[in-house]
Amino acid sequence: QLQLQESGPGLVAPSETLSLTCTVSGGSISSRAYYWGWVRQPPGKGLEWIASIFYNGNTYSNPPLKGRITVSLDTSKNRFSLRLSSVTAADTAVYYCARHTAVAPYFDYWGQGALVTVSS
Amino acid sequence: QSVLTQPPSASGTPGQPVSISCYGSSSNIGSNPVNWYQQLPGTAPKLLIYSNNERPSGVPDRFSGSKYGTSASLAISGLQSEDEGDYYCALWDDSLNGWVFGGGTKLTVL
Repeated sequence: QLQLQESGPGLVAPSETLSLTCTVSGGSISSRAYYWGWVRQPPGKGLEWIASIFYNGNTYSNPPLKGRITVSLDTSKNRFSLRLSSVTAADTAVYYCARHTAVAPYFDYWGQGALVTVSS
Repeated sequence: QSVLTQPPSASGTPGQPVSISCYGSSSNIGSNPVNWYQQLPGTAPKLLIYSNNERPSGVPDRFSGSKYGTSASLAISGLQSEDEGDYYCALWDDSLNGWVFGGGTKLTVL
């Protein structure tokens, strides 16, 4: 059974960079059948896709966030990461990592989520 | 403002049928398969329906999905108390070249 687990600081200061890692077990991030993505959910609000990355490093990002996002893969440790720069209070959210299929795409496995608060 | 439009709320009594709509455009629902997610309080989203009308293993058959043109619907044939939560439609948008989510529908079992 595939499992995803987010990790990273729960508190980030305004204007700093948010960094999260998603460790995958039970499957390989080198698979050509899947993308590895990030989705966030501000408190009390809906879901927002952030970015997705393929095994070869190809990346898609949500246009409003594109200039602030870096996503990367670490195949040696079977994990992938998100960096979001210049954060503000509006970036406070639960951040989920998730897998989605490459064809007729759908997110099929999700991490439990990590709350990141932006505050001084 | 979400690219996909869902009603903010829906409700019903146990055993009743309920339906949740999702309206989009030619670049998303009109071009790509629709997925539905269930998010129970305090938990991560769970895949409920994929590729318009397919159920993952373990999802009860009282959940079903459909798509017509640029709109889609999630139907629950017999509401149960454990169905109370938030429901989201989501799919790929060809114009945005990325994923879009509906704003979510809060389902209340009366």
